[in-house]
Amino acid sequence: SQTIHQWPATLVQPVGSPLSLECTVEGTSNPNLYWYRQAAGRGLQLLFYSVGIGQISSEVPQNLSASRPQDRQFILSSKKLLLSDSGFYLCAWSPGVGELFFGEGSRLTVL
Amino acid sequence: QKEVEQNSGPLSVPEGAIASLNCTYSDRGSQSFFWYRQYSGKSPELIMFIYSNGDKEDGRFTAQLNKASQYVSLLIRDSQPSDSATYLCAVKGNQFYFGTGTSLTVIP
Repeated sequence: SQTIHQWPATLVQPVGSPLSLECTVEGTSNPNLYWYRQAAGRGLQLLFYSVGIGQISSEVPQNLSASRPQDRQFILSSKKLLLSDSGFYLCAWSPGVGELFFGEGSRLTVL
Repeated sequence: QKEVEQNSGPLSVPEGAIASLNCTYSDRGSQSFFWYRQYSGKSPELIMFIYSNGDKEDGRFTAQLNKASQYVSLLIRDSQPSDSATYLCAVKGNQFYFGTGTSLTVIP
């Protein structure tokens, strides 16, 4: 069966520090991969999606970037965090046709 | 802009009652429709999906889709306190788009 894992689960970072969140999918090949952000009391905002290695599409301009160095690995990064980057970050995968499945989430607090 | 609208609630129902959650969407090209349950502090969990007009039942859950009205709903029969969560509606055209969720509280 397919599984998705992301880490770290929780992190507290100072403003201006870098960020790296990692996500890995197991049990499937060539998945579509997504990064969403959920701010407190708000809906899910699509940040990036990828249909293949090295193929990244951004939905909104922001202080973040994404990379897909391997088929089942998706990384969210920032060079310098802002206070507004705080939130619950969710990695998700889809087989392309069908449902979307989420990882456990990474809660980021920027101080 | 692809929009998915949900009543944010909170919606409170007594235990054993039917909870009705509603969602409208703006993109007529949307092809697939999903309901997710999200407990506080946790990631969303898929509970239902529906692709065709009409009703789809799975246990205590029924999803209803009306593409002409651009409306999708979720009914939860025999509501339990464990159903207390935020329910997210999602639609997929070329991408997945989510509503802001409806908070449901089932009162014992």
